[in-house]
Amino acid sequence: KAGVTQTPRYLIKTRGQQVTLSCSPISGHRSVSWYQQTPGQGLQFLFEYFSETQRNKGNFPGRFSGRQFSNSRSEMNVSTLELGDSALYLCASSLRVSTNTGELFFGEGSRLTVL
Amino acid sequence: AQSVTQLDSHVSVSEGTPVLLRCNYSSSYSPSLFWYVQHPNKGLQLLLKYTSAATLVKGINGFEAEFKKSETSFHLTKPSAHMSDAAEYFCVVSDRGNQGGKLIFGQGTELSVKP
Repeated sequence: KAGVTQTPRYLIKTRGQQVTLSCSPISGHRSVSWYQQTPGQGLQFLFEYFSETQRNKGNFPGRFSGRQFSNSRSEMNVSTLELGDSALYLCASSLRVSTNTGELFFGEGSRLTVL
Repeated sequence: AQSVTQLDSHVSVSEGTPVLLRCNYSSSYSPSLFWYVQHPNKGLQLLLKYTSAATLVKGINGFEAEFKKSETSFHLTKPSAHMSDAAEYFCVVSDRGNQGGKLIFGQGTELSVKP
């Protein structure tokens, strides 16, 4: 069974640009969560989608957005990139809502560098 | 609000010696707690979870954790460290808040294993 797939794995952008990251969950999983991981702040929750609906959102500015499609694939977008957006962005999928199961299956992440 | 505190940012042990990674939590109700592991350049993987059943929880790769309500702790242990255990470990609490809830990750403990 294929795991969680994130694309692209690495990307470099410049300040002011925008970026879209993609996540394909494990087949049958309906929940997709996104996290930002940085050395200073650790893992911070961005948002979670379940059956195409955003269930919860972390404390990030409106430049960070996401969506989920009917096949459960998810995308997140960051507009007007800032240097501080450089991070590893992790996607995780689960069968049910994350807080009901706690068992998340993570992808290997998309490493974004903003110059 | 729920929170977790990992008491050590870095732990170093010798191969074959016991491992202890400490985690304290704060919760206004009976929590669900988890430990995740992240190997270099990889996504996170669930090690074990506590969801109000047995207080001693066994996980993968010989790890176990004990839920102690009186001490609000959920420390991770392993009797004998292996080189392959070198990784970062995250203690996680499930926060079933009013707005859909989310998983809250600790800051992580980096485990080094010396030969």
